[in-house]
Amino acid sequence: AQRVTQPEKLLSVFKGAPVELKCNYSYSGSPELFWYVQYSRQRLQLLLRHISRESIKGFTADLNKGETSFHLKKPFAQEEDSAMYYCAPVVYNFGNEKLTFGTGTRLTIIP
Amino acid sequence: GAVVSQHPSWVICKSGTSVKIECRSLDFQATTMFWYRQFPKQSLMLMATSNEGSKATYEQGVEKDKFLINHASLTLSTLTVTSAHPEDSSFYICSANTQGLGEQYFGPGTRLTVT
Repeated sequence: AQRVTQPEKLLSVFKGAPVELKCNYSYSGSPELFWYVQYSRQRLQLLLRHISRESIKGFTADLNKGETSFHLKKPFAQEEDSAMYYCAPVVYNFGNEKLTFGTGTRLTIIP
Repeated sequence: GAVVSQHPSWVICKSGTSVKIECRSLDFQATTMFWYRQFPKQSLMLMATSNEGSKATYEQGVEKDKFLINHASLTLSTLTVTSAHPEDSSFYICSANTQGLGEQYFGPGTRLTVT
């Protein structure tokens, strides 16, 4: 079955330390993958997408087709990075597309 | 830009009554809107995909007669929870996108409590 896995429900990292939030997927073909973030008391918002290969707020994510992974990384964590992070592949189905969210990882940055 | 609003932000209703939740794209036309449900400390679960002017596509296990979705215009979709029961209490979130972009813009969510 197609699915996305975020193995860590909770992750605590000291400020200034590197961050890696793991995401593995099992979709066939070439999925389009996104990372969404939800800060405290805010709505869900896009953080980055793999096809643009951009860096947002210092975060990057590389699609590794061999390992079927799309881990989110940041070299130096900041306190404002504390949030809920969701890995989400887009599934295309007869012209419609839908996001399938992973279970999410709550990242806490320790001052 | 790309703001999505939801109304109401929270609602309490009695068991057996129906409640309607609105989702609006404020500054863009949304060809597709999505409705999600989120239980406490859990991820978002897609309930249905709604295209303007056509019937919604429901995910497996979601009762279409219970969760009525109407997408009458390119800026408005509504979710009506009919004959609500306490187990329908949840956080309902909508999102919208424009065709082909993949990125979805999320509303702030509506907390429904059924007593």
